[in-house]
Amino acid sequence: NAGVTQTPKFRVLKTGQSMTLLCAQDMNHEYMYWYRQDPGMGLRLIHYSVGEGTTAKGEVPDGYNVSRLKKQNFLLGLESAAPSQTSVYFCASRDPGGRNTEAFFGQGTRLTVV
Amino acid sequence: QQQVKQSPQSLIVQKGGIPIINCAYENTAFDYFPWYQQFPGKGPALLIAIRPDVSEKKEGRFTISFNKSAKQFSLHIMDSQPGDSATYFCAAFRGGGKLIFGQGTELSVKP
Repeated sequence: NAGVTQTPKFRVLKTGQSMTLLCAQDMNHEYMYWYRQDPGMGLRLIHYSVGEGTTAKGEVPDGYNVSRLKKQNFLLGLESAAPSQTSVYFCASRDPGGRNTEAFFGQGTRLTVV
Repeated sequence: QQQVKQSPQSLIVQKGGIPIINCAYENTAFDYFPWYQQFPGKGPALLIAIRPDVSEKKEGRFTISFNKSAKQFSLHIMDSQPGDSATYFCAAFRGGGKLIFGQGTELSVKP
């Protein structure tokens, strides 16, 4: 059981380039999340999804877009990367309720924009 | 606007000490409060969680204290060990899907 898998694990982009981060989960979870982690700022929610075909803005959505075309995948896109988007990105998935409401995280993607 | 505020940012204790990490929230719609532990190079993993109808929850050496009226909750680590050295995040969840994290506390337990 792989859990939550993020690809790629590392990436260096030039300012203005675009890229897509992929998150895949095999736990049939309805909810999926994208966070960025920066020193002293904790985990900040970028976008999230409560089901296939739905997305919603989090705390810091500007400069990012997302799509959830399939239940198991949640894509995070950067259309025109900026140095301020240098960060470690984490994806997570979660069941909507019931006894087990743990969010499971991927291993992270370290993105550097130069 | 930080919806979940966590303190301190860093904490150093001696082995056997009891580090305490505090969190405060504003939105009374939050109904589930987990704590996550993160080791370097890894994603966060659930440590312990509490719902607002309970004032305290213990799991092994980890205890959550919850004060609903003050909108505050805290994590206590009893008999801390060097292996507990990690970054700890509090979080808050509300119906509708949003899961918000605090700023994190970097804990170092000295031998």
